[in-house]
Amino acid sequence: EVQLVESGGGLVQPGGSLRLSCAASGFTVSSSFMSWVRQAPGKGLEWVSVIYSGGDTYYPDSVKGRFTISRHNSMNMLYLQMNSLRAEDTAVYYCARTSYYGSGRYYFDYWGQGTLVTVSS
Amino acid sequence: DIQMTQSPSSLSASVGDRVTITCRASQSISSYLNWYQQKPGKAPKLLIYVASSLQSGVPPRFSGSGSGTDFSLTISSLQPEDFATYYCQQSYSFPWTFGQGTKVEIK
Repeated sequence: EVQLVESGGGLVQPGGSLRLSCAASGFTVSSSFMSWVRQAPGKGLEWVSVIYSGGDTYYPDSVKGRFTISRHNSMNMLYLQMNSLRAEDTAVYYCARTSYYGSGRYYFDYWGQGTLVTVSS
Repeated sequence: DIQMTQSPSSLSASVGDRVTITCRASQSISSYLNWYQQKPGKAPKLLIYVASSLQSGVPPRFSGSGSGTDFSLTISSLQPEDFATYYCQQSYSFPWTFGQGTKVEIK
């Protein structure tokens, strides 16, 4: 059974840093595509990052240069290092397995329960 | 960036109703379109991928259609557990983007 469990959220001051973790089971992170998706309180969903099985990473402009997605293959873990945090980064952060259908078509087929990050002084 | 616009933003319907939600992309995205369901306080759940493929375990009352810029999600007979918010999402190009959501409420 595929399971994803996030941790590491909490309260951080503007300009601070936080590292989120996602523990995966039931599949191998290193041979999968994995993403982070966030949701600000009362708002919609926003894709934050993806790491391909080959190691390539992509980000939207809103977090590029501040956030870094990575993985630990032997521990089957996914991470999101968040630096220079801003109030607008306040959200629930979900890790999601990202399946590949072919011809560049991807979808998020399994999601964790989310971890709340609050950026406030 | 590709903008995804859902309509309506919310709707009220009764159990047994046929419900259709539409999603329009700001440019052609072929069939690079997925649909998710989210209930309050829960993670999103994949319903439909690549526009019309039903995710394993999802009831067949859910269906998706469309290609290019216009897509739809249809619930053939609304059930009590279907009251939720629904999102479309494109993977045609980075940044991957979601629609703003459609909240389906009980009439």
